[in-house]
Amino acid sequence: QKEVEQNSGPLSVPEGAIASLNCTYSDRGSQSFFWYRQYSGKSPELIMSIYSNGDKEDGRFTAQLNKASQYVSLLIRDSQPSDSATYLCAVASSASKIIFGSGTRLSIRP
Amino acid sequence: GAVVSQHPSWVICKSGTSVKIECRSLDFQATTMFWYRQFPKQSLMLMATSNEGSKATYEQGVEKDKFLINHASLTLSTLTVTSAHPEDSSFYICSARDRTVRETQYFGPGTRLLVL
Repeated sequence: QKEVEQNSGPLSVPEGAIASLNCTYSDRGSQSFFWYRQYSGKSPELIMSIYSNGDKEDGRFTAQLNKASQYVSLLIRDSQPSDSATYLCAVASSASKIIFGSGTRLSIRP
Repeated sequence: GAVVSQHPSWVICKSGTSVKIECRSLDFQATTMFWYRQFPKQSLMLMATSNEGSKATYEQGVEKDKFLINHASLTLSTLTVTSAHPEDSSFYICSARDRTVRETQYFGPGTRLLVL
């Protein structure tokens, strides 16, 4: 079992809809969780971090964390073509090492 | 927000030469920096963890004598690809960890290496 798992996609969402990206992790002692966006040919860019159970909203982005289920998700409301990218889930393990998922490719169709 | 720079952004070199890539944290101190490699359409692959003032920790399968890492200060880490070959052509990305922001990693813009 991979330490951080994501569906590779591609996930295709119509413009204006909600895109939902999911991630599961294996280390129950993990404390910090991150979502990065990576455009093709570019390096990853941090878009959200979340540390406690529940929802955290920042503009059109909402991160959701459920430590009991070892599940973290990212919702993107009012999806735009510029949101088309690969989204990486990252988890800081109990050993303070950050583990990245392999990423989910998101495509927003006009 | 925290800024990490990398230099150069692009490098083309002949097979057999060595290439040095610099990674700097511009507005925070980074006791730990990370070096990744990414081939086209593939995931990030962690190569090594660079700790200020001590030896780097390399991931399994990464040759430490080929990829030399030096973390000489709290804001600078360098990766030297020694005797580069065409198969070393890749996108090299560094990141720096800001301990004041709950272990958050910030990425540099990456260096694209092409070995002819």
